[in-house]
Amino acid sequence: QKEVEQDPGPLSVPEGAIVSLNCTYSNSAFQYFMWYRQYSRKGPELLMYTYSSGNKEDGRFTAQVDKSSKYISLFIRDSQPSDSATYLCAMSRSGGSNYKLTFGKGTLLTVNP
Amino acid sequence: NAGVTQTPKFRILKIGQSMTLQCTQDMNHNYMYWYRQDPGMGLKLIYYSVGAGITDKGEVPNGYNVSRSTTEDFPLRLELAAPSQTSVYFCASRKLAGVSPNTGELFFGEGSRLTVL
Repeated sequence: QKEVEQDPGPLSVPEGAIVSLNCTYSNSAFQYFMWYRQYSRKGPELLMYTYSSGNKEDGRFTAQVDKSSKYISLFIRDSQPSDSATYLCAMSRSGGSNYKLTFGKGTLLTVNP
Repeated sequence: NAGVTQTPKFRILKIGQSMTLQCTQDMNHNYMYWYRQDPGMGLKLIYYSVGAGITDKGEVPNGYNVSRSTTEDFPLRLELAAPSQTSVYFCASRKLAGVSPNTGELFFGEGSRLTVL
């Protein structure tokens, strides 16, 4: 079983739709959970960060972590064409010098006007 | 403030050639990383460094070497290039743990697209 599983999509939605992106993981030691957004031919950029379990909201974006189920989600409300990108989940066991992110494969999202 | 700068952006190599991918950051970050990204495969860690003079292997280090003589620079060396090294390479950096605020964010360069023929 891979450490981090993410459905690569592609996912195509109409403008204004609610988008749900998900990752599952097998290592219960993961404590730091992130979502990165990567536009075509660019480097990834941090979108959301969560430590341990719980929800975090930032504008139209909500990140959820359920450590009991080893499942993380990113919700995008009122999706816009500018949200079209690849979304990568990432997680780490440690926050110190051993901090190394394990990434999912990424989900390609297209929001159609 | 340039952030993380990678050169070259594109390169074509012949099998057996060697080259160095350059990475420089101007944010005074201690931690630096090299990832490769293959289509549909996510990002795989090649090497990382926690400070000048200290480097360590990641998941896929074979065929690569790194050095970290300064805080700013973290070059990645490819020896005897092989078609399997065709990929997009990303350099990233992160601030020292314990420095607030610290979300653990990695700051990525724009990538170096390498093709080995």
